[in-house]
Amino acid sequence: KQEVTQIPAALSVPEGENLVLNCSFTDSAIYNLQWFRQDPGKGLTSLLLIQSSQREQTSGRLNASLDKSSGRSTLYIAASQPGDSATYLCAVVVYSGGGADGLTFGKGTHLIIQP
Amino acid sequence: ETGVTQSPTHLIKTRGQQVTLRCSSQSGHNTVSWYQQALGQGPQFIFQYYREEENGRGNFPPRFSGLQFPNYSSELNVNALELDDSALYLCASRLTSGSSYEQYFGPGTRLTVT
Repeated sequence: KQEVTQIPAALSVPEGENLVLNCSFTDSAIYNLQWFRQDPGKGLTSLLLIQSSQREQTSGRLNASLDKSSGRSTLYIAASQPGDSATYLCAVVVYSGGGADGLTFGKGTHLIIQP
Repeated sequence: ETGVTQSPTHLIKTRGQQVTLRCSSQSGHNTVSWYQQALGQGPQFIFQYYREEENGRGNFPPRFSGLQFPNYSSELNVNALELDDSALYLCASRLTSGSSYEQYFGPGTRLTVT
């Protein structure tokens, strides 16, 4: 059974700092890995998707890396801003013979950027 | 904006009742999934529909059921509601073709069971 762990559970940093969020998964036979952002009480916004054959993806100040063999992914946020405050969720999907399974999520990292 | 919409936004039900939640997929997407997110937890996969048939299911009992319609809209039905069913219910859609499997989520329906 795939399990996803995110560390740290919560993080509070001053504005302007660069930071790294960590995600690990137990089954390396993933199809892809997706990072999401969730604001309180809201739905999920997709940030980055990394295919299993890729090593990293970048979007603006965000960079996500994937190391399938070690079961790890990191989300790097450069020059953090108060608007980055949210919960960040990591999720993986495993492809089964009948089609892609649903996403397996971690519990998220609750990020607060202090002005 | 993702294009996935859900209704209603909030809902309050009594234990033992039945509830139906609705989702309209992003245009062109033929696969829809439903997730349950309890407070402080990551979303849990309930099931997935492709071309109006369920083709994947998480660890949820049969009282959680669904439908997908020809226009790719979807419903989640929960019978015999329990207090632990209180959660944010999220719908996600994607296109089953190519190799992306990128999923797009709606804003969710907050269900409270009293």
